[in-house]
Order: sequence, then C-alpha cells, then structure tokens
Amino acid sequence: NAGVTQTPKFQVLKTGQSMTLQCAQDMNHNSMYWYRQDPGMGLRLIYYSASEGTTDKGEVPNGYNVSRLNKREFSLRLESAAPSQTSVYFCASSEGLGRSSTDTQYFGPGTRLTVL
Amino acid sequence: LAKTTQPISMDSYEGQEVNITCSHNNIATNDYITWYQQFPSQGPRFIIQGYKTKVTNEVASLFIPADRKSSTLSLPRVSLSDTAVYYCLVGDGRGGATNKLIFGTGTLLAVQP
Repeated sequence: NAGVTQTPKFQVLKTGQSMTLQCAQDMNHNSMYWYRQDPGMGLRLIYYSASEGTTDKGEVPNGYNVSRLNKREFSLRLESAAPSQTSVYFCASSEGLGRSSTDTQYFGPGTRLTVL
Repeated sequence: LAKTTQPISMDSYEGQEVNITCSHNNIATNDYITWYQQFPSQGPRFIIQGYKTKVTNEVASLFIPADRKSSTLSLPRVSLSDTAVYYCLVGDGRGGATNKLIFGTGTLLAVQP
C-alpha cells in the first residue's frame, strides 16, 4: 500500500515549456486534489476532483489543466510554464467527496518545480 | 467567506507545552476544524479534528470555543521531532456542495533542546 505517489520528484522547465505532473493513489479514494505550496502562502488548492470524470476549480486554477483519468489517477498539466509557477506541488486524496474538512486528506511527497 | 489566520512561527523548548491558535471567521455551521502537520520535504499529514469543545488523541488536544471562530492546537511536552509546520483547515463558509476548503498559512514550530 503506497498511499499517494507523485512523479517526478523534481523538474526544471524553461518558460513556455509544457509538462504533466502525475499522481496516483491506491486507497480507492473518491476525491483527489492538487495544491501548490509557496513560502508564506501555505497550501493553495489548484483543482480537485470529487469523482472520476469530474473536476472543479480551486483557489488558483489559472495556467493549469487537470485530468481525472480514472479513480486512481489525477494529472496536472502546465501548458506553457511561467516563472510564477515555480513551486512545490502536492497531490492529495480523500475518501469522501471533498466538500468538508471532516474528509481526511492523504498527501503525496510533492514535486518541486522550477521554471526558469 | 472564511479566512484563517495563524502565527507565522513559534519557538519552544523540549518538554514544554505548545499552543498554536488559528482564527477562522465565518466557518460553516456544520464544518469541522482539522489540523495537519508537515515535516520538511514531506506532504502534510492529519493530526486531529474537532467540531466543538475539546478533542484529545495520542498526539495532541484541540480546543474549540463555543463561537467556533478560533481553535487551539495543544502539543504536550514537545520534543525535537515535533519541529514542523502546523496548518489548520476549515471550509470557506459556504457549506454544502459549493463548500471549499481553506488551509491556513501555517505555523512553523521550532523546538530547541
């Protein structure tokens, strides 16, 4: 039982390049999330998915797209990376529908992304 | 909409009790308050959750006043391994199907020997 896994762990991009961050969970959870974490800003929700085939915008969705490929996988895509997207990205999953803080979230180890 | 406020950092010594407060105005009436702990280079992990009054588990206690506009995470007898960032998490106040979750900005707890 690996929990939540993320790939890659580190990535360096040039401005304008694209890439996809991968996330997978093996806990049969319904909801999955993508966060970014910047110094002094805490964790900010980018997108989340309450079930396969559904996605909703979070607090900072601009510049990102997501895809809930199946119940296990939730990917985050940067179509044209910008230096402002330099951050640590965390994926998380939870058993419920993600609307309440009672729904415990399990986080992956993060992806450290640098955009030059 | 709800907004959370936490102290940016706190210092403590081993063996002391540490209390970290989170202010969260306009929390939804049916929402719980959850706290997470994050060690360097790791994702956050769940510590404790409560709705009102006091909740205690093997790791911490959580105190929530009657108005629920704040909550206090209490760590008894901290050790060096408790050095981490602590986040509170609440709903944004809308409740129901449109409720969104708001993490606080986090409190860096530094425990010294």
